[in-house]
Amino acid sequence: ETGVTQTPRHLVMGMTNKKSLKCEQHLGHNAMYWYKQSAKKPLELMFVYNFKEQTENNSVPSRFSPECPNSSHLFLHLHTLQPEDSALYLCASSQRPGQGPTEAFFGQGTRLTVV
Amino acid sequence: QQQVKQSPQSLIVQKGGISIINCAYENTAFDYFPWYQQFPGKGPALLIAIRPDVSEKKEGRFTISFNKSAKQFSLHIMDSQPGDSATYFCAASAILTGGGNKLTFGTGTQLKVEL
Repeated sequence: ETGVTQTPRHLVMGMTNKKSLKCEQHLGHNAMYWYKQSAKKPLELMFVYNFKEQTENNSVPSRFSPECPNSSHLFLHLHTLQPEDSALYLCASSQRPGQGPTEAFFGQGTRLTVV
Repeated sequence: QQQVKQSPQSLIVQKGGISIINCAYENTAFDYFPWYQQFPGKGPALLIAIRPDVSEKKEGRFTISFNKSAKQFSLHIMDSQPGDSATYFCAASAILTGGGNKLTFGTGTQLKVEL
């Protein structure tokens, strides 16, 4: 248990569906992240939020829409996805630089399959 | 464009042997170099990390060697055990202007330790 909880663990959705991934961290961290992990590829940073403000959007298609209502919760809203979007989506959190370790702690991920 | 190159892609080591995984980076703005260990069905977990002002860091059986001038770093696992069988990712971190950190990952090394 890393203190970062993701739900659901597995999700199968059609290309016309709308779904959301949820992430919650209990570590008191200020920064939260979405990463995408596909087979045979490096983990790809998608979005970064710091104190609820988005600080990085790594050229992610608009069919992925993040939401960060507070420093403890992060959502990824999904709509009209493509089969190639099937992957493991990982949430992570970290402490703000200058306020302690900058290590990122990852959740267990949501295994997404788009059919 | 892959900013962190990792090798080998897979590695088989006998129990008690030394596992060595290498990484090279390009961006001199990186200021923190963590290694992550990932077991099937789990998110990556921080294993050990180093800052560029240090040439070596050891924690138990795990050692990072860092060569700043060559922009290379490596993970050595001494006395490798079957329980070490996992995928290992090197990463390089840079601070984002708006806050938070951007981790750039290598492609991963699948380690198998045989009896």
